[in-house]
Amino acid sequence: GAGVSQSPSNKVTEKGKDVELRCDPISGHTALYWYRQSLGQGLEFLIYFQGNSAPDKSGLPSDRFSAERTGGSVSTLTIQRTQQEDSAVYLCASRGGETQYFGPGTRLLVL
Amino acid sequence: GDSVTQMEGPVTLSEEAFLTINCTYTATGYPSLFWYVQYPGEGLQLLLKATKADDKGSNKGFEATYRKETTSFHLEKGSVQVSDSAVYFCALSSGGSNYKLTFGKGTLLTVNP
Repeated sequence: GAGVSQSPSNKVTEKGKDVELRCDPISGHTALYWYRQSLGQGLEFLIYFQGNSAPDKSGLPSDRFSAERTGGSVSTLTIQRTQQEDSAVYLCASRGGETQYFGPGTRLLVL
Repeated sequence: GDSVTQMEGPVTLSEEAFLTINCTYTATGYPSLFWYVQYPGEGLQLLLKATKADDKGSNKGFEATYRKETTSFHLEKGSVQVSDSAVYFCALSSGGSNYKLTFGKGTLLTVNP
């Protein structure tokens, strides 16, 4: 497929565990974003990667959140020591021109 | 900072009714404006966009006009269908160094037959 893909689609974890969420952007898109969609906060920007530049981490809510992008393509969002308030849908998007194209999201539930 | 305010709903309409979902924004500079739609069980999809003042974005019978003087980008459709039932998000991108999107809180639209 030509779209953005994310895995897993659903993740249930226990409070205190670490989780990794994966994003495969559209081929050729150099810009990649992570957003979080939660009931209380709506859609929030988390982090932005552009090529080989330093990422814009201004939206990360705490130092438990980190992300990397290897080889300018696949990205992984890691949440350490998960808390119940981390439960949300995590969305990845890649950008072509001015338009961002979103993946289906990973629904994270922290018990 | 940038912000988007949209009618929160929920909005319930009968098929063939006229739809308006209001959206206003606050931004530095001249943002690009977007409407995204999220159908039940699916991801966010771009519905339409406008990149400068007085531009009209349109798609699938939906329209929105970029109004700089009122800082608005209201979504309209003349005759809604049951299949339009979804959550609609207004968003802006100020460009700059990262083109990140700032979203409104979303409006749930339910269209009844």
